[in-house]
Amino acid sequence: NAGVTQTPKFQVLKTGQSMTLQCAQDMNHEYMSWYRQDPGMGLRLIHYSVGAGITDQGEVPNGYNVSRSTTEDFPLRLLSAAPSQTSVYFCASSGTGVKNTEAFFGQGTRLTVV
Amino acid sequence: LAKTTQPISMDSYEGQEVNITCSHNNIATNDYITWYQQFPSQGPRFIIQGYKTKVTNEVASLFIPADRKSSTLSLPRVSLSDTAVYYCLVGEGNNAGNMLTFGGGTRLMVKP
Repeated sequence: NAGVTQTPKFQVLKTGQSMTLQCAQDMNHEYMSWYRQDPGMGLRLIHYSVGAGITDQGEVPNGYNVSRSTTEDFPLRLLSAAPSQTSVYFCASSGTGVKNTEAFFGQGTRLTVV
Repeated sequence: LAKTTQPISMDSYEGQEVNITCSHNNIATNDYITWYQQFPSQGPRFIIQGYKTKVTNEVASLFIPADRKSSTLSLPRVSLSDTAVYYCLVGEGNNAGNMLTFGGGTRLMVKP
């Protein structure tokens, strides 16, 4: 029962570097999303996808790109890392249906930009 | 998406019942109420979801009055392992699973 798998768990980047955070789910969920969580705060939505080939922006999309070529994978790309992007990143997936507010979250990627 | 308001923190002792109330005055007709639990260094975990009246599962109960402008998460006989942040979320039942809006949550501290 893998659920939602995120890699890496920890990452340190230098300002200006780019990288991709990986997210994969094995529950055949249509919906996937990325959140960031700053210390002591709630989660904020970065980007989301309602199915393969479809993505949209959330509350804080600037500096991030996403794509959804398969149902299983939803990578998050940081184009040019900035210290303000230091945060914990969570990927989530959920199914469709009337009561699909039950989302399953990964364990998170702790990113530090120096 | 409806905004929610909940206490910033609560303290309790092992074995007590804990009730966390959430206000959502502008909840819409299609909105469901969902609670998540988050332990340090982990992603949030679904606890319970409801639309109206009372819902109970093996972990908690959720009480929703008739006007649906608030809800109360009830944790029976808490233990130290229930120390966590609890988030109340409100969103449309048919498409909000992907667009969850988290507030600051309630930090529950359970003491021995």
